[in-house]
Amino acid sequence: QAGLAQPPSVSKGLTQTATLTCTGNSNNVGNQGASWLQQHQGHPPRLLSYKNNNRPSGISERFSASRSGNTASLTITGLQPEDEADYYCSSWDSSLSARVFGGGTKLTVL
Amino acid sequence: QVQLVQSGAEVKKPGASVKVSCKASGYTFTDSYMHWVRQAPGQGLEWLGRINPNSGATNYAKKFQGRVTVTRDTSTRTAFMELSRLRSDDTAIYYCARASYDGLDVWGQGTTVTVSS
Repeated sequence: QAGLAQPPSVSKGLTQTATLTCTGNSNNVGNQGASWLQQHQGHPPRLLSYKNNNRPSGISERFSASRSGNTASLTITGLQPEDEADYYCSSWDSSLSARVFGGGTKLTVL
Repeated sequence: QVQLVQSGAEVKKPGASVKVSCKASGYTFTDSYMHWVRQAPGQGLEWLGRINPNSGATNYAKKFQGRVTVTRDTSTRTAFMELSRLRSDDTAIYYCARASYDGLDVWGQGTTVTVSS
């Protein structure tokens, strides 16, 4: 089953801004939008945003999402040590009638 | 508060089946799809399927069709995921997750399934 494409790793300095990308196609990200999940080692994933840029309650404004065509992005400003985690994008694929995930990006905060 | 509580860890032999439960509380169970996602050691997230708890209708990932069955019991607000013909590469943490709008907003704590002879 085709997944979404994410870079395996991104490294940024403390207080800097990181932008993570997620590329799909017109059947998923381009049409259905994307959501973003954060996962710390040993914990279940946590939803950061849905429908491109809606944040669940309790999620910091430092996390913002956007979409352009078939590519979704997650921008994290003012990086903190606790932002070091794995980040996954996800979308519903209307042609597969299936949820698809990206392979995940490991964010390292230097 | 909204919560999903999953059943405990399982150890199974190759060829066996496993059934994991996910009990929901704090919201109307029939209002939201329930998804099942797994994560093999050191790997990413992989979708298995989902159920509409109201109608019982299901969708499954093509990779798992014929091996996975998702069901629910509305009287106990519980969803179930059964995976059959287990192989060693089915060793993973299995999560249930509630769908809200277009995201999986509440996750269970995960159930570790180990397949070993």
